[in-house]
Amino acid sequence: NAGVTQTPKFQVLKTGQSMTLQCAQDMNHNSMYWYRQDPGMGLRLIYYSASEGTTDKGEVPNGYNVSRLNKREFSLRLESAAPSQTSVYFCASSEGVGDSPLHFGNGTRLTVT
Amino acid sequence: ILNVEQSPQSLHVQEGDSTNFTCSFPSSNFYALHWYRWETAKSPEALFVMTLNGDEKKKGRISATLNTKEGYSYLYIKGSQPEDSATYLCARNSGGSNYKLTFGKGTLLTVNP
Repeated sequence: NAGVTQTPKFQVLKTGQSMTLQCAQDMNHNSMYWYRQDPGMGLRLIYYSASEGTTDKGEVPNGYNVSRLNKREFSLRLESAAPSQTSVYFCASSEGVGDSPLHFGNGTRLTVT
Repeated sequence: ILNVEQSPQSLHVQEGDSTNFTCSFPSSNFYALHWYRWETAKSPEALFVMTLNGDEKKKGRISATLNTKEGYSYLYIKGSQPEDSATYLCARNSGGSNYKLTFGKGTLLTVNP
């Protein structure tokens, strides 16, 4: 049972380059999320998808776009990477009801130079 | 309290000691309080999700309580073991949404053998 799978695990970009972080879950979860983790900060929500076909902004959406491709997959795109986007990115999924926990992927460590 | 706050920031205990951490959060528009355990080089794993005032949950040597009226939750670890060493995160829903979770910065627990 793979759970939540993120690719790639590591990535180095130059300022201005674009890339897409991929995320897939095999738990038939309705909701999916993208978070970033920075030193001294809590996990911060970038975007989320409450259900297939919907996406909404989280706490720090600027500079990012998302696509809920189908129920399994939720991608995060950086159109023009900036050094401020250097971070560890986590994808998560949940059943989407009030008491359902998040299930996290293993993270993507992104460095923008 | 405007944000989710956790204390202490870090904690060192000896093997066998019992310990507890605090999570404080805004009490208005409350849906759920989550606790996660995050080991180094891994992804966060859910411990508990609590929704009702006065709720108590237990998993092995770890338990948690919830007070939604005053806005706090305690996580207790009985007889700490070195494998309990991790960062413990709490999170609560934010922005009136059940999907948006605001995370605290975590309590880093180190259990010395």
